[in-house]
Amino acid sequence: GEDVEQSLFLSVREGDSSVINCTYTDSSSTYLYWYKQEPGAGLQLLTYIFSNMDMKQDQRLTVLLNKKDKHLSLRIADTQTGDSAIYFCAERSKGGGSYIPTFGRGTSLIVHP
Amino acid sequence: DVKVTQSSRYLVKRTGEKVFLECVQDMDHENMFWYRQDPGLGLRLIYFSYDVKMKEKGDIPEGYSVSREKKERFSLILESASTNQTSMYLCASSSSTGEGSTGELFFGEGSRLTVL
Repeated sequence: GEDVEQSLFLSVREGDSSVINCTYTDSSSTYLYWYKQEPGAGLQLLTYIFSNMDMKQDQRLTVLLNKKDKHLSLRIADTQTGDSAIYFCAERSKGGGSYIPTFGRGTSLIVHP
Repeated sequence: DVKVTQSSRYLVKRTGEKVFLECVQDMDHENMFWYRQDPGLGLRLIYFSYDVKMKEKGDIPEGYSVSREKKERFSLILESASTNQTSMYLCASSSSTGEGSTGELFFGEGSRLTVL
């Protein structure tokens, strides 16, 4: 079945850039997502990229997609302590006649002052 | 503002009890999902529903059932709770998961269930 892999932890210093990486296996994925989960809360969509795009930029966030290698990354520029959260990579695959997302295990981003 | 509301943030139940987790969305979404979240395992799909009275098994449906009698409400039922069902349960909804939609999921705040 479909699989989404990401490392479990990332630690950075405040002001540095953070790069969170993700690999997926389903070559028919149409959308790939990054969700953010702050402590004690549900997930919230941070950004997404359509599979025919290589890059998407939104303020401090840059998403890079290498479809050939099935590799997705999220870069956060000038990381702040408020960026500390769990970041989930997800891809959308087809199941039961509908497209449902498959999530990675989440990367805990810890930002040190 | 879009909203997915889970009825209980924290529950403590005993082994063998029947547990209901309720989820309501106010966005008129067709699709609703139940996930459980465990440290190191991420989100695992239990069940989803793409219409009233319709349900589909996810990756880990064993020990769970669901009910969708109204479009806005999706309930997760543990018929006989066990300690290995201690977890965070997340409900989500989306407007459409057809090929043309982005498929963004809107999540509730989660229900943390402890089974003793």
